[in-house]
Amino acid sequence: EAQVTQNPRYLITVTGKKLTVTCSQNMNHEYMSWYRQDPGLGLRQIYYSMNVEVTDKGDVPEGYKVSRKEKRNFPLILESPSPNQTSLYFCASRKDRAGANVLTFGAGSRLTVL
Amino acid sequence: SQKIEQNSEALNIQEGKTATLTCNYTNYSPAYLQWYRQDPGRGPVFLLLIRENEKEKRKERLKVTFDTTLKQSLFHITASQPADSATYLCALDMGKAGTASKLTFGTGTRLQVTL
Repeated sequence: EAQVTQNPRYLITVTGKKLTVTCSQNMNHEYMSWYRQDPGLGLRQIYYSMNVEVTDKGDVPEGYKVSRKEKRNFPLILESPSPNQTSLYFCASRKDRAGANVLTFGAGSRLTVL
Repeated sequence: SQKIEQNSEALNIQEGKTATLTCNYTNYSPAYLQWYRQDPGRGPVFLLLIRENEKEKRKERLKVTFDTTLKQSLFHITASQPADSATYLCALDMGKAGTASKLTFGTGTRLQVTL
């Protein structure tokens, strides 16, 4: 089944404790992206990657890092999490081809930083 | 910057009726406008896409219209069912396909279909 898989789905951590949210897609998509979703603010893009070793900042990149060493994986790294990073995170991917930029989303990772 | 407005209040309708959700935007019109469905605790799922030169698009019980003069898209669900209850997000794509353009999402409107 074509899908985007995120782990963990739920995580409670404490301020300053580094964590990584993994994202993997099995569709051979070139483009991958991370979003966070907060009440009243909607989905906001954190980082995106057009292909392997190519990453760029989205609208809210502060406090986050990403890497794209393989086409299928795009982990989101919080080096020193803070309570304002408590949110619902989504990874998404798309195939870069003629046509519109339709995204396939993962199921989400709910992160709580105490 | 582009601003997208979707009614933040939930839309409650009776089963069998047509649900109409609104997406308004400011500034210039996008190349594409997309609609996604999101169930609680799940990721958004793509439903329909409409291009700037299209007025209307249909898929089964779904219909999307796009009025670049009014800067508005309407999303209709005909013969609505309780299973249609979800949050519906509109998303604007300002760029050409395959470019670094990104989707800008609205905050979504929650639809509740009752028996």
